Amino acid sequence: GENVEQHPSTLSVQEGDSAVIKCTYSDSASNYFPWYKQELGKRPQLIIDIRSNVGEKKDQRIAVTLNKTAKHFSLHITETQPEDSAVYFCAASKRTDKLIFGTGTRLQVFP
Amino acid sequence: KAGVTQTPRYLIKTRGQQVTLSCSPISGHRSVSWYQQTPGQGLQFLFEYFSETQRNKGNFPGRFSGRQFSNSRSEMNVSTLELGDSALYLCASSPDRGQNEQFFGPGTRLTVL
Repeated sequence: GENVEQHPSTLSVQEGDSAVIKCTYSDSASNYFPWYKQELGKRPQLIIDIRSNVGEKKDQRIAVTLNKTAKHFSLHITETQPEDSAVYFCAASKRTDKLIFGTGTRLQVFP
Repeated sequence: KAGVTQTPRYLIKTRGQQVTLSCSPISGHRSVSWYQQTPGQGLQFLFEYFSETQRNKGNFPGRFSGRQFSNSRSEMNVSTLELGDSALYLCASSPDRGQNEQFFGPGTRLTVL
């Protein structure tokens, strides 16, 4: 069945450094790839998404890249800040099908 | 607009019991999805409801069921509870079906003893 693998499971960076989280999906028909951020004790919130007709999307310090041939997509956070510390989930879906989430990456940004 | 709400926020049950969780979507949102969140498995899709009909289903046993009412509010039920059902159950709503942002509720923390 559909599967989304996410790496790494934990990531520690120094404030100001960049962080990269990678995901691989199995269903080549997937065409929508959102990223959600979940702070401790809070609900997941969408931070950025990309559709398969584009290869990259940026929003201030956050960017997502998509490689359809390799079936992987990545989240890039530049100039990390302590408030970026959270668990990040990637997900994939096709058409009106369900969202399949990765297992999450716990990002810690040390001041 | 008020966000997605879920009740109750916390539940403690014993094995073999059943439980019903409730989700009220954002006003005007017609699609409601349910997820199970556990530390090792992340967010696992349970089912999606739209216009009172189940549209998608995840890989969970038949003990997990749900429904949606005409006002888009949704409930999920778990019968014959097992220890492994202990988890945070999240619902999420979106305006329509398809690839839209999902707005999550705060979750219901279920503990099965």
